[in-house]
Amino acid sequence: GIQVEQSPPDLILQEGANSTLRCNFSDSVNNLQWFHQNPWGQLINLFYIPSGTKQNGRLSATTVATERYSLLYISSSQTTDSGVYFCAVEREGTSYDKVIFGPGTSLSVIP
Amino acid sequence: NAGVMQNPRHLVRRRGQEARLRCSPMKGHSHVYWYRQLPEEGLKFMVYLQKENIIDESGMPKERFSAEFPKEGPSILRIQQVVRGDSAAYFCASSPDRKLFFGSGTQLSVL
Repeated sequence: GIQVEQSPPDLILQEGANSTLRCNFSDSVNNLQWFHQNPWGQLINLFYIPSGTKQNGRLSATTVATERYSLLYISSSQTTDSGVYFCAVEREGTSYDKVIFGPGTSLSVIP
Repeated sequence: NAGVMQNPRHLVRRRGQEARLRCSPMKGHSHVYWYRQLPEEGLKFMVYLQKENIIDESGMPKERFSAEFPKEGPSILRIQQVVRGDSAAYFCASSPDRKLFFGSGTQLSVL
């Protein structure tokens, strides 16, 4: 099956700093999504981004499908950004397929 | 439009009992996914269903676990004869096509 890797596994930031999270995948994909799991366990869909670049406030994401990676940028980090960031992919195909999650990047933003 | 609803929020069972976890997808969503998450770990795919059909159950143990998504009513994840190793958070996600929206999860504790 498709393999998904994320780096770094853990990250500690001072409030106000910027960061880049990376997601590598082993096969061509139909879509890629980024999620944030907050410290209370809730999972929020940040981006649906099979290719190209999207921005939402202080967050932006870029997927380069041909090179099989995606990046999530967090600028001017805030303590509320703390939690785990997951990327999730669906293998390319003509029909719907299961969505597989990477192991996540655990982010702690300290005041 | 209400979000994905999961209940119960917390479920305590003794070894050998049955656990039934419910997931009501968002209105108009015909795809349902179930994931399991152990503490400090990522989301492990269990099963992907569409209305009245199991599309992929490759992540679900062959014994004691079953899932359904009937024409009417919520999707049900059923675990028979629970063991301590079944203790985990179980998340359901629904989708109208490929973008996933998650419920708040059910925390299953087996005594």
